[in-house]
Formats: sequence, C-alpha cells, structure tokens
Amino acid sequence: KNQVEQSPQSLIILEGKNCTLQCNYTVSPFSNLRWYKQDTGRGPVSLTIMTFSENTKSNGRYTATLDADTKQSSLHITASQLSDSASYICVVSVGAAGNKLTFGGGTRVLVKP
Amino acid sequence: NAGVTQTPKFQVLKTGQSMTLQCAQDMNHNSMYWYRQDPGMGLRLIYYSASEGTTDKGEVPNGYNVSRLNKREFSLRLESAAPSQTSVYFCASSESTDAIYEQYFGPGTRLTVT
Repeated sequence: KNQVEQSPQSLIILEGKNCTLQCNYTVSPFSNLRWYKQDTGRGPVSLTIMTFSENTKSNGRYTATLDADTKQSSLHITASQLSDSASYICVVSVGAAGNKLTFGGGTRVLVKP
Repeated sequence: NAGVTQTPKFQVLKTGQSMTLQCAQDMNHNSMYWYRQDPGMGLRLIYYSASEGTTDKGEVPNGYNVSRLNKREFSLRLESAAPSQTSVYFCASSESTDAIYEQYFGPGTRLTVT
C-alpha cells in the first residue's frame, strides 16, 4: 500500500531558529515529491517539487532534500519567522499521473516569538 | 486573477440533506480535482476531471457526484449527507493530470453534517 509518513506530528520552535521536518514514503512507482505549506483555514500551497534525480531544492528559506534510495525526504526551515507557522505536507506522485498523489498527514509547526 | 475559488466557505447540514459545492478556476487549466481533508489524515481524492467532459472516481467517491460544467467549473454534490462526510473539502486544478504539473488548491469548504 502506498503510504507517506511524516514526523514529527507537531513542533514548536522559537522565532529565528531552524527546524527540519521528515517524510518517509513507500510509493511505487515514484514520480516526484512535493512539499506544500498549508496555513490555517487555507488551501495547500506548493513550496518545492523534486524528481528522483534531484537531491536538493530550495525556495527562499525552505530547503527540501530527497534520498530516493532510502525513500526519505526532509524540509529544512532556516531562520524561522512567525509566518512560518503552518502545516507542512509531503506529497508523493505515484507514477506519471497527477491524479495519483499520496498525501502525508502533515507536520504542524508553531513559531513563537 | 483569483486562482481557484470555492463556495460556500462554511456549511452545516442535517443528515439526509443535499447540497452542491462549487469550484471555479481562472487559470485555463484542463484538469480539476475534489479532495477531502480529515483531521490527522492526508488529503484524499474524491473525484477528478482530466479534461472538460470527463470525470473519474478517485480514492473515496462513495456518497458523492460531480459535474464538470465547463472548462472553468467543477461541482461536487452530496445527495444525502451523512455525519461521516463532515470534513474540509478542497478543489484543485492543474494544467493536466501529468504529475509534473503543480496542482493549485482553493481555500476550502468546511462542512459539518449533524
């Protein structure tokens, strides 16, 4: 069964600090992996997308890594800001069709001043 | 350019009532999707429309129907609402169902069935 597991479920960090979120997947065949940011009460917004040949992808203070061999990805947030408080969702495409996305349950991040 | 819009934002229904959730996109995308998001769970695909005139079932289609009214609009209908359909519903659109294309999500509809 295709699954995407994220850890931790939630975390609290102080403004200005860094944090790393984890994503493990058992999806076959793998096409690409996305990280989405979802603010409370809003729809998910894409941060990065990586194919199996890409190891790292950055979007401002967000850096995603992918290890296709171990089927793990991480999202690193640098110098966190209050606006980073949100849920971060790891999404893996099964095969080449975008209608076959497997979503993780998300990591809820709270940044405190 | 509003992206993906959804109406209503909130809705409370009694068991057995029916309703239609509306979705529209102004990005000229070919493909549209309906998802539901439940606490602690990942989004799950209900139905999708690869292109105007076509619709297909997703992972959790039971209890729902859809209509691709035109290229812009994709509606989701609950014929007889059940408490198990209490959820947040998201509509999304993309250039095509090819996985390289990003899906853009609407703001969601929070539905409670009592």
